[in-house]
Amino acid sequence: SQQGEEDPQALSIQEGENATMNCSYKTSINNLQWYRQNSGRGLVHLILIRSNEREKHSGRLRVTLDTSKKSSSLLITASRAADTASYFCATGQDTGFQKLVFGTGTRLLVSP
Amino acid sequence: DTEVTQTPKHLVMGMTNKKSLKCEQHMGHRAMYWYKQKAKKPPELMFVYSYEKLSINESVPSRFSPECPNSSLLNLHLHALQPEDSALYLCASSGEGGTEAFFGQGTRLTVV
Repeated sequence: SQQGEEDPQALSIQEGENATMNCSYKTSINNLQWYRQNSGRGLVHLILIRSNEREKHSGRLRVTLDTSKKSSSLLITASRAADTASYFCATGQDTGFQKLVFGTGTRLLVSP
Repeated sequence: DTEVTQTPKHLVMGMTNKKSLKCEQHMGHRAMYWYKQKAKKPPELMFVYSYEKLSINESVPSRFSPECPNSSLLNLHLHALQPEDSALYLCASSGEGGTEAFFGQGTRLTVV
């Protein structure tokens, strides 16, 4: 089953611009994770934010979490052509195994 | 070694064939997963193995049969598949709760 929606579904920007993707989810969460997928291959973990955190940074990535609105956003600053990929949010658990439930995804195209 | 290795990368099989997908990790993770991903859709969880025991089966048809021979290996046995089963099959593993999942590059399966 799908946890929630991501918007936009697709985003096209120029190199150097910032890209913002939003994720909404339906149920209470322990953590929310963002993954990247190139050309329909494997997913790569980008960042994990726990339910008691509001903001997290990793390099050019900034993630926010608003549990009252059940939403999260991923900001990629100073985008590069190599950032072109699909980005998925996924809700996870803090104990035991991770039953990740993915959002619908955002397809990002960064043009040189 | 933070890699999850899946074989084969591509597989074409007839509806009467029996084939197996293989997945291997050497990160000491005790949770392993199979996901199915259709084109332009998010990954959907199929099975979870925790400590080599099947913990979750997301109502997957019996023509898909998972197996966990040991803590490093995960197989997915396929039999009598339908064309609509054509998809990217992703294997993943994770450590204890609240951590990221590591994904393999997937097996692109085509059923003819």
